[in-house]
Amino acid sequence: EAGVTQFPSHSVIEKGQTVTLRCDPISGHDNLYWYRRVMGKEIKFLLHFVKESKQDESGMPNNRFLAERTGGTYSTLKVQPAELEDSGVYFCASSQDGSQRGYGYTFGSGTRLTVV
Amino acid sequence: LAKTTQPISMDSYEGQEVNITCSHNNIATNDYITWYQQFPSQGPRFIIQGYKTKVTNEVASLFIPADRKSSTLSLPRVSLSDTAVYYCLVRSYNTDKLIFGTGTRLQVFP
Repeated sequence: EAGVTQFPSHSVIEKGQTVTLRCDPISGHDNLYWYRRVMGKEIKFLLHFVKESKQDESGMPNNRFLAERTGGTYSTLKVQPAELEDSGVYFCASSQDGSQRGYGYTFGSGTRLTVV
Repeated sequence: LAKTTQPISMDSYEGQEVNITCSHNNIATNDYITWYQQFPSQGPRFIIQGYKTKVTNEVASLFIPADRKSSTLSLPRVSLSDTAVYYCLVRSYNTDKLIFGTGTRLQVFP
């Protein structure tokens, strides 16, 4: 089966611009997660979708970040306006049964965002 | 969620067995121990998960003592391609959120 796909793989934007990251989960996976690693820090949870609903968005840093998952398929994460501290790698992951399943989550390769 | 502590880095040679120990003194009754592997420019990849005693799959073994305050990931006969960062996580059965620490950077030499 195809894995979790993220687009773009790299993005360089100027401070104040808008960027939209996309994640295509594994087909049939209801659970979709966003994580990110900013420079020198650990990978941090951002939010969790179950189908099209936000189950947990406790990790979203501020209102410049907007995540959507229309139709419960792919998801987008928009940063508007981008700030320098938003630079980092944004990972998306998906799972079929969430925490009920013992086989972990499948992560994408990430989008490396650089804000200059 | 329980915090984990693991060595920052380890070195090994090809063909050796590597054991990475993780401590999680505050693990709760409903928590599972999960290990992920991450290569450069890739996302974390699930390796193994366990609750107690021993779990083995085609990639690794996970040893968990009775008190569950620590766990050891065992990689048999490592190769150069096992060079990666290994994360030990404690995950509650009731939550989907993963909390990553700094991980252990394993370097395998020829």
